[in-house]
Amino acid sequence: DAGVTQSPTHLIKTRGQQVTLRCSPKSGHDTVSWYQQALGQGPQFIFQYYEEEERQRGNFPDRFSGHQFPNYSSELNVNALLLGDSALYLCASSSPGQTKNEKLFFGSGTQLSVL
Amino acid sequence: ILNVEQSPQSLHVQEGDSTNFTCSFPSSNFYALHWYRWETAKSPEALFVMTLNGDEKKKGRISATLNTKEGYSYLYIKGSQPEDSATYLCAFAGGTSYGKLTFGQGTILTVHP
Repeated sequence: DAGVTQSPTHLIKTRGQQVTLRCSPKSGHDTVSWYQQALGQGPQFIFQYYEEEERQRGNFPDRFSGHQFPNYSSELNVNALLLGDSALYLCASSSPGQTKNEKLFFGSGTQLSVL
Repeated sequence: ILNVEQSPQSLHVQEGDSTNFTCSFPSSNFYALHWYRWETAKSPEALFVMTLNGDEKKKGRISATLNTKEGYSYLYIKGSQPEDSATYLCAFAGGTSYGKLTFGQGTILTVHP
């Protein structure tokens, strides 16, 4: 049973570029959340996708967008990259229904460096 | 802005010591409190999800308590082992949230043999 998989594992971009990160949820999970973890901080919630819709969004600018596909996999897109977007991006999946009292299953993350 | 605070920021203990750390969160609009363990080069792994005031959960040598009225949770590790070395994260879920978790900055535990 594959867990949550993310790709790529590492990525280097320059300011102003665009990036797409990918996530496949754990088998049987239909809800995907994205978190950003900057150095020295805890993960910060970007948004959550359920039934191919953005269900909830954190305090991130519109440069951060996402998508969920019919097979429940998800993409995180970041446009006009800034140096401050350098971080570890974590994807987490959870079982159907309300998720706030369901434990999250995390991927290993994508380390994004913006130069 | 919702604040979830963890203390201490880091902790060094000797093998066999028992230890505990604290997570503070808003006492209003509470729904759930999560604990995760994050070992280096691995993915964060769920330890506990607690929803009821006074809840106590246990998994092997690790246990956690919850006080929603005063807004804190304690994580205890009995007889620490080197393999317990990790970052321990707590996360708060509010009543109006669909699934958003607000994480603390974590407690980095190092257990020395």
